[in-house]
Amino acid sequence: DAGVIQSPRHEVTEMGQEVTLRCKPISGHDYLFWYRQTMMRGLELLIYFNNNVPIDDSGMPEDRFSAKMPNASFSTLKIQPSEPRDSAVYFCASSSGTSGRGQFFGPGTRLTVL
Amino acid sequence: AQSVTQPDIHITVSEGASLELRCNYSYGATPYLFWYVQSPGQGLQLLLKYFSGDTLVQGIKGFEAEFKRSQSSFNLRKPSVHWSDAAEYFCAVAYSSASKIIFGSGTRLSIRP
Repeated sequence: DAGVIQSPRHEVTEMGQEVTLRCKPISGHDYLFWYRQTMMRGLELLIYFNNNVPIDDSGMPEDRFSAKMPNASFSTLKIQPSEPRDSAVYFCASSSGTSGRGQFFGPGTRLTVL
Repeated sequence: AQSVTQPDIHITVSEGASLELRCNYSYGATPYLFWYVQSPGQGLQLLLKYFSGDTLVQGIKGFEAEFKRSQSSFNLRKPSVHWSDAAEYFCAVAYSSASKIIFGSGTRLSIRP
């Protein structure tokens, strides 16, 4: 299995630009999670989906952030407009059935907003 | 509120020495408990998990963890660390089979040659 795939691995953009991060979960997994990791705040859950439906988006910092999961094999996290404080590593994770089986993480996207 | 605490921010041990990383969680029925490791520039990798049965669980890379309900703890151990074990370690908990996982703040492990 290829594991969770994220693209791009690195993204450098200027303040005000739109950023789209992409994730392909492990085939057969029905939960998908987006996290943000920074030195100051650690690992934060932004949003998660079950069977392509958003379940909890309470961690999304503000309206500039949006996430979609149009099908079982693809999800996007969009930031529009981006700000320097959005600079972080963004992880996608997926799991099968329940969180009790553990989540499997992608390699992350390192976002730098200048 | 549900939470998980890793009291040690940074630990340094000598190569070949034993290791114990501490983790405490807020009380909840039937917790699902996890340890993850994150090497620099990498995503999180699941080391081991516990949700029932034997309270001593074995994981990958020679790690083990022991669930102690009376102490609300799930400490990670390794009898002899290797330089490649230098990484960030996260304890995590879930309180129902369908809930999200709550991560601790992490413990950074350094290995002294």
